[in-house]
Amino acid sequence: DAGVIQSPRHEVTEMGQEVTLRCKPISGHDYLFWYRQTMMRGLELLIYFNNNVPIDDSGMPEDRFSAKMPNASFSTLKIQPSEPRDSAVYFCASSWTSVNNEQFFGPGTRLTVL
Amino acid sequence: QKEVEQNSGPLSVPEGAIASLNCTYSDRVSQSFFWYRQYSGKSPELIMSIYSNGDKEDGRFTAQLNKASQYVSLLIRDSQPSDSATYLCAVNGRGKLIFGQGTELSVKP
Repeated sequence: DAGVIQSPRHEVTEMGQEVTLRCKPISGHDYLFWYRQTMMRGLELLIYFNNNVPIDDSGMPEDRFSAKMPNASFSTLKIQPSEPRDSAVYFCASSWTSVNNEQFFGPGTRLTVL
Repeated sequence: QKEVEQNSGPLSVPEGAIASLNCTYSDRVSQSFFWYRQYSGKSPELIMSIYSNGDKEDGRFTAQLNKASQYVSLLIRDSQPSDSATYLCAVNGRGKLIFGQGTELSVKP
């Protein structure tokens, strides 16, 4: 079975540019999570969806960040405009249920903003 | 106080020894607990989940949970150099996983 798929795997962009990260969750998983990982702050939850509906976006750092899930098999995380402090690894994860919440992670997107 | 706390390490053990990784959490309503392994440059990989007090064994791994003490641990028996990684403790709190900062484990041949 295919795991969580993310693209691109690496992104290098210049400050001020728009960045779009993509995620395809495991088929049948109702929950999708976006995380950001840095050395300083560790793994932080940005937002999560249940059945394509955003449930908690309290971790989204500011209005420059937005996320959508137009259908059960696709989600995007957009940063506009990007800043150097957004440089991090962004992970997408999915799970069957929030009851036990076993989450499976994608390979991540390493974002570098120059 | 952080919601999930782990010793950052690094924890260094010789090959064949038992590695013991510890985690404490603050939210008493938490019901499910996880250990993830993350190799450098890779994504977190789920290796153990535990939901009730006591021990749960899977191969060389044993997870231990004590809800009264708000404490979770992971034991790795017969440690191998391939176990060298960062181990993340995660606690399911109100629909979200809260991760600790991770403990770096180094197994020396």
